[in-house]
Amino acid sequence: QLQLQESGPGLVKPSETLSLTCTVSGGSISSSSYYWGWIRQPPGKGLEWIGSIYYSGSTYYNPSLKSRVTISVDTSKNQFSLKLSSVTAADTAVYYCARHPVASGMTTVDYWGQGTLVTVSS
Amino acid sequence: QSALTQPASVSGSPGQSITISCTGTSSDVGSYNLVSWYQQHPGKAPKLMIYEGSKRPSGVSNRFSGSKSGNTASLTISGLQAEDEADYYCCSYAGSSTPVVFGGGTKLTVL
Repeated sequence: QLQLQESGPGLVKPSETLSLTCTVSGGSISSSSYYWGWIRQPPGKGLEWIGSIYYSGSTYYNPSLKSRVTISVDTSKNQFSLKLSSVTAADTAVYYCARHPVASGMTTVDYWGQGTLVTVSS
Repeated sequence: QSALTQPASVSGSPGQSITISCTGTSSDVGSYNLVSWYQQHPGKAPKLMIYEGSKRPSGVSNRFSGSKSGNTASLTISGLQAEDEADYYCCSYAGSSTPVVFGGGTKLTVL
């Protein structure tokens, strides 16, 4: 059974860089059948797609966050990562990692991580 | 402000049917058959209920169905059950520069 697990600091200071890693188990991140992505949800609010990556390294970002986001993949560790720079309180959210089947596009998420709350505060 | 517009809340009694709308534009919902719907219970990760407009993943009840007319996609839940009470989000492809846009979410209350 595929599992995705987010890890990283739960507290980040304003203006610093948020860094999260998603570890994939029960399946290979190098599969040509899937994209891997990040989605966030501020407390009490809706979902926002941050961006996604293909195992080859091709990336796709939300235009509203593109200037601050970097998503990378480490196939040797079966992990992919998110970096969000110059964070503010508005970046406080539950961050989910996700799998998108290529055949259905990035609007389809068939597996989600459990989510990790990242709070931006001094 | 979300790219896709959903009603903030809908409600229904057990056994009834409800429909949640998701209104976009000719640049997203209207142009592609790539709308998905997610169910989210409090404190949980979202769950895929419908993809590619009307397809149901394995294990999702056939009480859930998706459709589209023009720039509006819809999720219909028939035979409402208490366990259906949750937040529902639509999601659409909006072109190569913005592959994913979400709706603001709809809270479903089962009376």
